[in-house]
Amino acid sequence: GNSVTQMEGPVTLSEEAFLTINCTYTATGYPSLFWYVQYPGEGLQLLLKATKADDKGSNKGFEATYRKETTSFHLEKGSVQVSDSAVYFCALRADNAGNMLTFGGGTRLMVKP
Amino acid sequence: EPEVTQTPSHQVTQMGQEVILRCVPISNHLYFYWYRQILGQKVEFLVSFYNNEISEKSEIFDDQFSVERPDGSNFTLKIRSTKLEDSAMYFCASSEQGIRNTEAFFGQGTRLTVV
Repeated sequence: GNSVTQMEGPVTLSEEAFLTINCTYTATGYPSLFWYVQYPGEGLQLLLKATKADDKGSNKGFEATYRKETTSFHLEKGSVQVSDSAVYFCALRADNAGNMLTFGGGTRLMVKP
Repeated sequence: EPEVTQTPSHQVTQMGQEVILRCVPISNHLYFYWYRQILGQKVEFLVSFYNNEISEKSEIFDDQFSVERPDGSNFTLKIRSTKLEDSAMYFCASSEQGIRNTEAFFGQGTRLTVV
């Protein structure tokens, strides 16, 4: 079946540090891939997405590249801020999955000043 | 900015009791969803709803669960006889069209605690 695996947290970084949150997936065909972010007390918000191999999604300084050969969609940011502290969820929508998203477990990021 | 709202933010219920979780999707959206996240586990799909009927559901969504759009604005998830293992964060979401073409917007979640 379809699945998403992401690194466990929490990830604790100092401000301006480089961020990588790993995400790998298992799915048949060519899934669409997403990163969602949940800030404290808020709902999940779409951060970025990529719909085909080698696409790069980017938003708010975050980026992730759809790597079919390694079935990965790692999230990166060159310089994190305290305001980036949140839980990050990797997700996919498989070709055969209609409107269903398959999520990873989430990774909590804490950025210290 | 339009948002999906869920009430209550936290619900505590006794095992065996019925519980209704409420959601107000974004007003022009046509597709509605429930997901849940048991503490420490993955966010799991429960059900999608379109045109007043269930369009997809997961194995988790058994006869104990039901969804309804009673009045054209609310979208509810009912659990008929809660079990301890139903304790989780429940997320409602909506999208204008299917998620192949449009973004799903999520609410902030309702934390259900079954005691």
